[in-house]
Amino acid sequence: EVQLVESGGGLVEPGGSLRVSCTASGFTFSHYYMNWVRQAPGKGLEWVSSISSTSSYIYYADSLKGRFTISRDNTKNLVFLQMNSLRAEDTAVYFCARGSTPLETGTIKENDYWGQGTLVTVSS
Amino acid sequence: EIVMTQSPATLSVSPGERATLSCRASQSVSRNLAWFQQRPGQAPRLLIYGASTRATGIADRFSGSGSGTEFTLSISSLQSEDFAVYYCQQYESWPRTFGQGTKVEIK
Repeated sequence: EVQLVESGGGLVEPGGSLRVSCTASGFTFSHYYMNWVRQAPGKGLEWVSSISSTSSYIYYADSLKGRFTISRDNTKNLVFLQMNSLRAEDTAVYFCARGSTPLETGTIKENDYWGQGTLVTVSS
Repeated sequence: EIVMTQSPATLSVSPGERATLSCRASQSVSRNLAWFQQRPGQAPRLLIYGASTRATGIADRFSGSGSGTEFTLSISSLQSEDFAVYYCQQYESWPRTFGQGTKVEIK
């Protein structure tokens, strides 16, 4: 069974830093892109960042302006999101989701499995 | 950046009726379009990918159609568990982008 479990959320002051993690199980982690998607309270979904299976390709939302860094550890089935210079508008539930893999044939799909999310609150 | 626009923002439907949701892309995304359902307090769930392929375990009352810039999600006979928010997302290019969502509510 595919499982994604986020952790590391919490309350942080404006300007502070936080690292959230996602632990994956039930699939060959090193074969898949991994994605972070966030959702501010009462708002819609916003794609944040994606990382390829070997970390060769990394993408970020333009709005983050270099404040966030995605990384992964394929030996431990972990993906991370390091968030710096946090602002009130970064307050959201952060979801990790499984991305695509080039090893599957047929129609490409992304975000077929999601974690339950971890809440990050930026406030003084 | 490809802008995804969903309509309507809210759709009021009676149980058992059909619902039709629209998603428009600001430029072609080919068929690299997914639909997600999100119930209150839950993570999103993949319903449709490749514009028209149902994800594993998704009931056949859900169907997707379209290509290029115009897409539709249809729910043939709404069940109580289908009242939720629905999002479309393109994965044709970076950055990935979601629509703003359509809330399907009980009429």
